[in-house]
Order: sequence, then structure tokens, then C-alpha cells
Amino acid sequence: DVQLQESGPDLVKPSQSLSLTCTVTGYSITSGYSWHWIRQFPGNKLEWMGYIHYSGSTNYNPSLKSRISITRDTSKNQFFLQLNSVTTEDTATYYCARGELGRGWFAYWGQGTLVTVSA
Amino acid sequence: QIVLTQSPAIMSASLGERVTMTCTASSSVSSSYLHWYQQKPGSSPKLWIYSTSNLASGVPARFSGSGSGTSYSLTISSMEAEDAATYYCHQYHRSPPITFGAGTKLELK
Repeated sequence: DVQLQESGPDLVKPSQSLSLTCTVTGYSITSGYSWHWIRQFPGNKLEWMGYIHYSGSTNYNPSLKSRISITRDTSKNQFFLQLNSVTTEDTATYYCARGELGRGWFAYWGQGTLVTVSA
Repeated sequence: QIVLTQSPAIMSASLGERVTMTCTASSSVSSSYLHWYQQKPGSSPKLWIYSTSNLASGVPARFSGSGSGTSYSLTISSMEAEDAATYYCHQYHRSPPITFGAGTKLELK
């Protein structure tokens, strides 16, 4: 079965960069689908951040476009999130998820990782 | 971007009661691209209904979804205790950005 697992620091200082890894097992990220980062703020609002397509192309939320980068390591079947110049408003639970091509539902999610931005 | 407005924000239902919650889009969304998730505290969202009316694997048949254009709904024919959760709608039609509704929290009365 497909599984996704987020990892990374749980505390980041303001103005620094947030970096997370999503490790995928049970499916190759180069075989199909799109691979997404989604975050959930305290209070439970969900925000889509961006994705990397199995071809390697990327697409980002315009609200984050100047700060976000999603890359991958195909040899490790991992994809990554980097969010620059973080503020306390970036405190959230970060999820990685697999997106169905075309119609876009998210059938597989990681368990999420809480990242707190604080000095 | 398309804004999805869910109502009510919070609701409660008794066991056996019929439950309906709605998701209204700020612009028309193709029904193929409108999906619902269930989330319980401490867990990731789970795909619940995809493309408006298709139940995800393992979802009980008491759940159903319907809608078109800008108006969509999720219905539970007979509330059970395990259905207490927050439900989010999600659109992929006009992206970026992909957007989610703010959620409807369903409580057991």
C-alpha cells in the first residue's frame, strides 16, 4: 500500500527556512500522480501549498510563490518542501499527499508534522 | 481563486438523524473536481467522497454526495456516533490554487 511520511525539524526560527521531507513507500513518485504539500493552521484551515508532478514539473500557490520550492530525490523516492523567510504565521501542521491526476483528489496523506515558528 | 464556503460551521445531530451540510463555490466548479474529506482530531484528513458523489473505499453507504455548479452537499442518511468529525470540501477545477472549505464540524447531540 502507498504510504507517505513527513519528517523535519519541529521548530524553526523566524526569518529562517523551513525544510521538510516526504518519504513515499509503495509507489514510485516518477511513475504517476502529483505529489503535494498541504498545511493546516491552528484553527484547522487547510491551505494547499504546491506540488511536484511525476514528470518533475512544479506548481505553487501564488500566495507562496516567492518563498516556496518543491524538489525531489528520485533515488530515495522522496520529495521536499522548502519555505523561505518564515514568520510565526507559518506555524502549522504540514502534510504531504498524493494527488490524482486530472480530477485532483487526495487519496493518500502523510500523518502530518507540526512545525512551530518561534524565536 | 475559488472560495468554498461551508455551512453550517458547526452542527450537532442525534443518533439516527439525517444530516446535510453544504459547500458553496464562488464560481462554478465541475462536479468531477469537487471532493470531500473527513478529519478526526489528531488524524490526517481522509478522502471521503470524490467527484461529488463517489464514496471512497470503506465509506459507509449512509453517506452520499450531490451537487453541481456552485452548490454541493454531503448527506448522512442516519447519524452514527463514528460520524462525528470535521468535513472539508475541496476543489481542483480552477487551479492554482487548489482550495479547501473551512470545514463543517459535526458533533453528536
